[in-house]
Amino acid sequence: QSALTQPASVSGSPGQSITISCTGTSSDVGGYKYVSWYQQHPGKAPKLMIYEVSNRPSGVPDRFSGSKSGNTASLTISGLQAEDEADYHCSSYTSSSTYVFGTGTKVTVL
Amino acid sequence: EVQLLESGGGLVQPGGSLRLSCAASGFTFSSSAMSWVRQAPGKGLEFVSTISYSGGSTYYADSVKGRFTVSRDNSKNTVYLQMNSLRAEDTAVYYCAKTRFDYWGQGTLVTVSS
Repeated sequence: QSALTQPASVSGSPGQSITISCTGTSSDVGGYKYVSWYQQHPGKAPKLMIYEVSNRPSGVPDRFSGSKSGNTASLTISGLQAEDEADYHCSSYTSSSTYVFGTGTKVTVL
Repeated sequence: EVQLLESGGGLVQPGGSLRLSCAASGFTFSSSAMSWVRQAPGKGLEFVSTISYSGGSTYYADSVKGRFTVSRDNSKNTVYLQMNSLRAEDTAVYYCAKTRFDYWGQGTLVTVSS
């Protein structure tokens, strides 16, 4: 199973919006609603930010939103804040009943 | 409060074995699938294995199939990852995660080196 493709880095100024893409195939992202996004600060464990494409767990700011079109999922961070600087990873359920993660994206707040 | 605490990591020689444990609390463990995910130094996350709530179904990444075995003891609220025939490329922080990765442990470092 090949990793889902994410941009290596995305940057934005405070208050701006950024979008991170996550591209897979019809056997993973395009075929299931189980796409999730995680935030990971250096040296820390990942934290779930979005599940089932567009749902936010309790406590996650509504600045974070998710969507999907075909084989590509997206995470948008609106009103970018300094504390949003972190690595972001996507994941998807697959047709093999396993999961696949993305290559990871480093978000920099300028 | 959901808590996942991994243990068992360390330095092991190539070809060696190691067993990781993940002790869970704060949720109904026996009703939850559990997974292992790893992260090599400076790299992204990689799915390793998932075990169903009962232990009756297990799933593995191709990279570890035949070498790693996931199991669980619902009476001890603990999930295990038995790792055999370890290779240098298995060096990573290993995380356990609940269900569809909604909660994660702090991770345990496995280093495979001579």
